[in-house]
Amino acid sequence: ETGVTQTPRHLVMGMTNKKSLKCEQHLGHNAMYWYKQSAKKPLELMFVYSLEERVENNSVPSRFSPECPNSSHLFLHLHTLQPEDSALYLCASSQLWAGQEKLFFGSGTQLSVL
Amino acid sequence: SQQGEEDPQALSIQEGENATMNCSYKTSINNLQWYRQNSGRGLVHLILIRSNEREKHSGRLRVTLDTSKKSSSLLITASRAADTASYFCATALNRDDKIIFGKGTRLHILP
Repeated sequence: ETGVTQTPRHLVMGMTNKKSLKCEQHLGHNAMYWYKQSAKKPLELMFVYSLEERVENNSVPSRFSPECPNSSHLFLHLHTLQPEDSALYLCASSQLWAGQEKLFFGSGTQLSVL
Repeated sequence: SQQGEEDPQALSIQEGENATMNCSYKTSINNLQWYRQNSGRGLVHLILIRSNEREKHSGRLRVTLDTSKKSSSLLITASRAADTASYFCATALNRDDKIIFGKGTRLHILP
């Protein structure tokens, strides 16, 4: 276990549904991330939260809405998604400003949009 | 873009052989990291090498960094079936900067 837990592991949703992905880290880290992994494409950084403030938003469509209520929890709210949004969504955490730049990843949520 | 690019895209070797994967990047970096991903799972950090380092070892892993060529290599010695996975290099422009990943190398160890 990496100390980062993502739920659900699998999600199938229609284009009109609203769902949320959840991530929880038990490592005491001060930064959390959402990455998207599609087939044959590099991991795409979507959002970064540092000390619960969003510091990065890589031109992600508004149908993806992140929420970071505290340093241990991160959500990704989904609504009116498109089939091309089907991908593995990975949450990660790290401890910034401590000389430990490595990321700890959850197991991901495999999302299928029908 | 500072994005790393791994080479080869896919590699199949016999168990017991050494596996070498390469990564090239485009801009100056603070550090380069290698991660491993088993199918459909999250990534696991393997090793980090800083821009002022040339080589690092961790168990059966050996990483080199050549900043003049903007390239890195990951060597896995005495490969095992359990090493079958995708391997990604990732770069950070500055310390505590966002980490950008390449497309990865799919490694398959044949029994």
